[in-house]
Amino acid sequence: AQSVTQLDSQVPVFEEAPVELRCNYSSSVSVYLFWYVQYPNQGLQLLLKYLSGSTLVESINGFEAEFNKSQTSFHLRKPSVHISDTAEYFCAVSPLSGSARQLTFGSGTQLTVLP
Amino acid sequence: NAGVMQNPRHLVRRRGQEARLRCSPMKGHSHVYWYRQLPEEGLKFMVYLQKENIIDESGMPKERFSAEFPKEGPSILRIQQVVRGDSAAYFCASSPKRGLNTEAFFGQGTRLTVV
Repeated sequence: AQSVTQLDSQVPVFEEAPVELRCNYSSSVSVYLFWYVQYPNQGLQLLLKYLSGSTLVESINGFEAEFNKSQTSFHLRKPSVHISDTAEYFCAVSPLSGSARQLTFGSGTQLTVLP
Repeated sequence: NAGVMQNPRHLVRRRGQEARLRCSPMKGHSHVYWYRQLPEEGLKFMVYLQKENIIDESGMPKERFSAEFPKEGPSILRIQQVVRGDSAAYFCASSPKRGLNTEAFFGQGTRLTVV
C-alpha cells in the first residue's frame, strides 16, 4: 500500500516569489510520482511526472520537482510564481507493478499567489 | 481528440434518490477509473474498469454504489438512495492501457450535491 503526505494545506505567496510545495510518500514497492494541478471548478491536469531516469523533472510552465529516494520526497518548486498559478496542487504515486494501476493522492496544497 | 467527458457537470439530488454519473473516456482508451473527492480532501480511488469488466473495486462502498463500463457507451457510476455524505466531486480518468509509462487523463468531474 502507498500513502502520500502533503505537509502544507495552504501556501500563500506573493507574486514573483519562489515557492516550494512539499510531498512525502510511503510505499513498500517502487512507484511512479506525479504532480497534478486543479484550477477552480475544473478537473485535474497532469503537471509533471517522474517515471525513471533523471531525478529532476520539469513542466512547460516553469515548475520542477525532484525525486529524492532516500528522503522519499517529491517536492514541487517554482522560482517565480504568477497570479495564474493559484490553484490546488496534488501529489500522487502509483505502483509500477500490480493488477491495477491506481493513483494514491495526497490531500492537496492550496497555492494562493498574492499581488 | 476530445478529452475525458463527464456529464452532468453538476447534479443535485434529494436524499433517497438515485444519482447516475457518466464518463466517456478518451478515444482509444479502454481503461476507466473513478475517484471521489470529498470537501477538503484529496481524491480517493473507487473503482477500475475495463470494457465489460470490473478489475478492482476495492475503493467502492459496499452498499448503494455500483459501476459499469459496457461494450458500447460510457461508463456509469450509479449511487442508489443517496445520502448527504455522498455529496462530493466524482472524477473519471481514462488510460489507453495498463502498464509502464501510461498516464491517466482526468475529466472535469461531476459535482453531486445531496439536499
